[in-house]
Amino acid sequence: AQSVAQPEDQVNVAEGNPLTVKCTYSVSGNPYLFWYVQYPNRGLQFLLKYITGDNLVKGSYGFEAEFNKSQTSFHLKKPSALVSDSALYFCAVRVHTGTASKLTFGTGTRLQVTL
Amino acid sequence: GAGVSQSPSNKVTEKGKDVELRCDPISGHTALYWYRQSLGQGLEFLIYFQGNSAPDKSGLPSDRFSAERTGGSVSTLTIQRTQQEDSAVYLCASSLFGLGNTGELFFGEGSRLTVL
Repeated sequence: AQSVAQPEDQVNVAEGNPLTVKCTYSVSGNPYLFWYVQYPNRGLQFLLKYITGDNLVKGSYGFEAEFNKSQTSFHLKKPSALVSDSALYFCAVRVHTGTASKLTFGTGTRLQVTL
Repeated sequence: GAGVSQSPSNKVTEKGKDVELRCDPISGHTALYWYRQSLGQGLEFLIYFQGNSAPDKSGLPSDRFSAERTGGSVSTLTIQRTQQEDSAVYLCASSLFGLGNTGELFFGEGSRLTVL
C-alpha cells in the first residue's frame, strides 16, 4: 500500500533555529509528495509539493522540502523558525485507485517553536 | 465563494441521531473530497467526488455513512444512527480537476461533530 510516515509526534525548536519535520514514503512508481499545515481550529493549507525535477522544493512561508529518492524521504525544513510556525504539519502522497486519485496523509507532526 | 465553506462548524448530537454535514466547494472545482480527523489521528479519507459521481468511496467506515453531491457543487455527508466513535472533525476539500495535475487541495475549516 502506498503511504507516508511521520515518525515524530512533536518537534520542539527555539525561535531562530533551523527546523526539520521528517517524512518517509512508500509508493510504487514515481511519488507525488505534499506538505500541508494546520493552524488551530483551521483547515489544512497547502505548503509545497514535489512532482518532478529539482529535489529541493520551495514553498510558502519560507519552508522548503528535500526529496531524497534513495532514502525515500521528503523532509520539511526551514532555516530559521518563528513562533508563528507552531502548528500541525502533515505529509501526504498522491495515490491512484483506478480512475481516481486521492491524497493519503501521515499522522501529523506538531511543531512547537518557543522563544 | 472565495473558499471551501462547511456547515455547521460545530454539531453536538445524541447517540443514535442522524446528522448531515454540508460542504460548499470553491466555485468551478469539479473534485470534492471528504476526510475525517480524529483526535490524535491523521486524516482519514472517506469519499471522493468527480462531478456528481463518486469513483472512490472506499473510505466510508460503515453503511451508516453516505454522501451525495448535486449539481456538481454542494455535497452532503450523512451519518445515520451516530455512535460515539463518530466524534471527529469532518473536513471537506476541493480541487479544480482532481489530482491529475497539481494535487493541491483546498480545505474547509471543518465540521466538529461530538456524539454524546
